[in-house]
Amino acid sequence: GAGVSQSPRYKVAKRGQDVALRCDPISGHVSLFWYQQALGQGPEFLTYFQNEAQLDKSGLPSDRFFAERPEGSVSTLKIQRTQQEDSAVYLCASSLAITGRSNYGYTFGSGTRLTVV
Amino acid sequence: AQSVTQLDSQVPVFEEAPVELRCNYSSSVSVYLFWYVQYPNQGLQLLLKYLSGSTLVKGINGFEAEFNKSQTSFHLRKPSVHISDTAEYFCAVVYSGTYKYIFGTGTRLKVLA
Repeated sequence: GAGVSQSPRYKVAKRGQDVALRCDPISGHVSLFWYQQALGQGPEFLTYFQNEAQLDKSGLPSDRFFAERPEGSVSTLKIQRTQQEDSAVYLCASSLAITGRSNYGYTFGSGTRLTVV
Repeated sequence: AQSVTQLDSQVPVFEEAPVELRCNYSSSVSVYLFWYVQYPNQGLQLLLKYLSGSTLVKGINGFEAEFNKSQTSFHLRKPSVHISDTAEYFCAVVYSGTYKYIFGTGTRLKVLA
């Protein structure tokens, strides 16, 4: 597609429920990132994929968070046993080049707004 | 710790007036600098970036920013704002040799008629 597509746009989950957030990057983009944006804050790094390899998951806040990109294209961010503090906008970004060798031309999706009640 | 500071959480300005949104980062090592705009319920759109070369960077929608290494700043400016510029603006830094964006907390620009 022309841009990074994220679904669903909005998700309301009851506390304790599992959720899965999807990211469709731009076709052919090698690098994929997930960021978490809490209300009134800037986005914060969660995890980074280069193709199907998850090279950095240092930003995942707990072991309830899990991300995958099995075929090097679509990625899913899964949150188990959601808590109220997980409420945030989850942003996905992709880039054609391998990070560190590019001009950092990341394209962000519109995000998924997760509300845990 | 590496960080980005946007001191102004909100900036009200009248239409057609100039505006400056301030951004400072914490380290003077080699960095790449970015400004993003976020309209309500939308993702981040790149306004401009500094990677190397000229310290004055021009971006989309008439915005520009100047990289000042000695002051570790990258302030965003526009000589004449429009109502449509009302949005949240984020400054971000990537430190050389890394790939993570470090974002500031954002500045809400409100353009008044």
